[in-house]
Amino acid sequence: EVQLVESGGGLVKPGGSLRLACAASGFTFSNYAFNWVRQAPGKGLEYVSSITSTSSAVYYAGSVRGRFTISRDNTKNSLYLQMNSLRVEDTAVYYCARESAGFFGDSWGQGTLVTVST
Amino acid sequence: QSVLTQPPSASGTPGQRVTISCSGSSSNIGNNFIYWFQQFPGTAPKVVIYRNNQRPSGVPDRFSGSKSGTSASLAISGLRSEDEADYYCASWDDSLSGKVFGGGTKVTVL
Repeated sequence: EVQLVESGGGLVKPGGSLRLACAASGFTFSNYAFNWVRQAPGKGLEYVSSITSTSSAVYYAGSVRGRFTISRDNTKNSLYLQMNSLRVEDTAVYYCARESAGFFGDSWGQGTLVTVST
Repeated sequence: QSVLTQPPSASGTPGQRVTISCSGSSSNIGNNFIYWFQQFPGTAPKVVIYRNNQRPSGVPDRFSGSKSGTSASLAISGLRSEDEADYYCASWDDSLSGKVFGGGTKVTVL
């Protein structure tokens, strides 16, 4: 069974940092690209970042470029999102979503809540 | 302001057909696949249409997708109470070098 489990969320002050992780199981992790997608409370889905299967390319939404870094460790079947210089507007549930060629979002994690507040 | 434009709401009675539109541009929908996601409150999104018009296994054939030019639509025929959810369209955007989502459409079954 395909499983994606996010962790690392929590309460952080503005300007602080957090590192999210997404642990994968039930499939060959290294064959897939991955995405981070977030959803602020009561709002819609927002794309955050993507990484290819071999980490050869990474992409970011303009709102997080320069502050967030996506990475993966294919030996540990894990995806990461390093979030620095956090802002109040980064408060959201962060989901990891799997992607194969032409099939974005075939599996999603349950999400992890990040709250940026004083 | 979302890059892809969806109506905020849509509704229908059981058995009716409901259509949700998603409008974009040549840099996203016009040149890339469109995806549709269904989301219930407090849960992760689930893909109901991928590659413009393909249905994943397990998604009822009441759900169908189409694309024409820079617009796309999701149709739900034979509307059922369990279809009441938020629906989002998404695509890759060549100009932004990233994915873009619509603002979401809340489907209500009257």
